[in-house]
Amino acid sequence: DVKVTQSSRYLVKRTGEKVFLECVQDMDHENMFWYRQDPGLGLRLIYFSYDVKMKEKGDIPEGYSVSREKKERFSLILESASTNQTSMYLCASSSQSTGRAFFGQGTRLTVV
Amino acid sequence: GENVEQHPSTLSVQEGDSAVIKCTYSDSASNYFPWYKQELGKRPQLIIDIRSNVGEKKDQRIAVTLNKTAKHFSLHITETQPEDSAVYFCAASSPGNQFYFGTGTSLTVIP
Repeated sequence: DVKVTQSSRYLVKRTGEKVFLECVQDMDHENMFWYRQDPGLGLRLIYFSYDVKMKEKGDIPEGYSVSREKKERFSLILESASTNQTSMYLCASSSQSTGRAFFGQGTRLTVV
Repeated sequence: GENVEQHPSTLSVQEGDSAVIKCTYSDSASNYFPWYKQELGKRPQLIIDIRSNVGEKKDQRIAVTLNKTAKHFSLHITETQPEDSAVYFCAASSPGNQFYFGTGTSLTVIP
């Protein structure tokens, strides 16, 4: 069974804080993704990575950065958290060969 | 880039009836179309997928159809049960590329 694990289920941070969201997968998947999920807007891609140290901007990268130093780990960084970044954040990974993507359990981030 | 539209946004059916959710996509290079089910408070779970070289795929009560010419694909759930109640997302992807998701359909199965 594929396991994609996010470091926190719930986080509360203050405006202006630097926030790190961590994601680890155990299936040797090449691709990893960060999405945010908001009611009525579906899943919007923030960043994705298809290899170590590689990253591509998604649809809404502003205010975020990412890091992929190891194949199994993909980190999302909010440089200076703002209240409009309050959301559910979902990490996913997929295999280049099958294309099938699997999600982490999500991190509900609240910025106050 | 790719644009995926999903309809309807909400769907209520009686238990035992069928449910159909439809998606359209814009990029003819897309060749992989998964469907995810997300129960309240849980992660999206892959329930079925189809590739562009296949027109239909079935897994028990769930089936997906793909029309490449018209660029649309559909999820069919037969003999619906209350545990089918969830939000369903369609997506489109091409090799090595990101997934583009629809905005979701909230399905309610009424006992």
